[in-house]
Amino acid sequence: AQSVTQPDIHITVSEGASLELRCNYSYGATPYLFWYVQSPGQGLQLLLKYFSGDTLVQGIKGFEAEFKRSQSSFNLRKPSVHWSDAAEYFCAVETSGNTGKLIFGQGTTLQVKP
Amino acid sequence: DTAVSQTPKYLVTQMGNDKSIKCEQNLGHDTMYWYKQDSKKFLKIMFSYNNKELIINETVPNRFSPKSPDKAHLNLHINSLELGDSAVYFCATRRSRTDNEQFFGPGTRLTVL
Repeated sequence: AQSVTQPDIHITVSEGASLELRCNYSYGATPYLFWYVQSPGQGLQLLLKYFSGDTLVQGIKGFEAEFKRSQSSFNLRKPSVHWSDAAEYFCAVETSGNTGKLIFGQGTTLQVKP
Repeated sequence: DTAVSQTPKYLVTQMGNDKSIKCEQNLGHDTMYWYKQDSKKFLKIMFSYNNKELIINETVPNRFSPKSPDKAHLNLHINSLELGDSAVYFCATRRSRTDNEQFFGPGTRLTVL
């Protein structure tokens, strides 16, 4: 069965420091992968997505993610974190069939220290 | 203009009651979804409609019934509410079956007492 694992429930980084949020997936075929961000009390916003091609994808707000098939990973990175990046981050995989069914990871809460 | 809107934003009700949550989108998208986010922030898909046709129906109690009166609306009706139904419910849309980005509404926080 398809699944997504985000090993880090909670991460704290200092403002200006680099960030990496981990995501591992289990899926038989080439996955469609996504990172979403949820600010407190808000809905989810798409940061970036990977379908095929270049394994390093750029997203909004200075985020990027790298797809590594050999490691079944799709880690999210940002070189310098801003206080406004504090939020909940979700990795997701879309299953096949064009239904758009997303399987989400458990989420990682990012706290940013001043 | 809000692209995906949900009403109400907050809903507090007693066990056993019946309630509805409404979702409206002005994006002209074909596909709409309902997700449930539990107290641990875990998100799970519940239903999806494409052009008013049910295409995803996950294992949810039959007390939950989605209704899509038209392409712009997908409502969620819940009968005989239980404590475990307390969660945040998100509506989302997608332009078409071949366009993978989903746009989420702000959520409806349901509290069952």
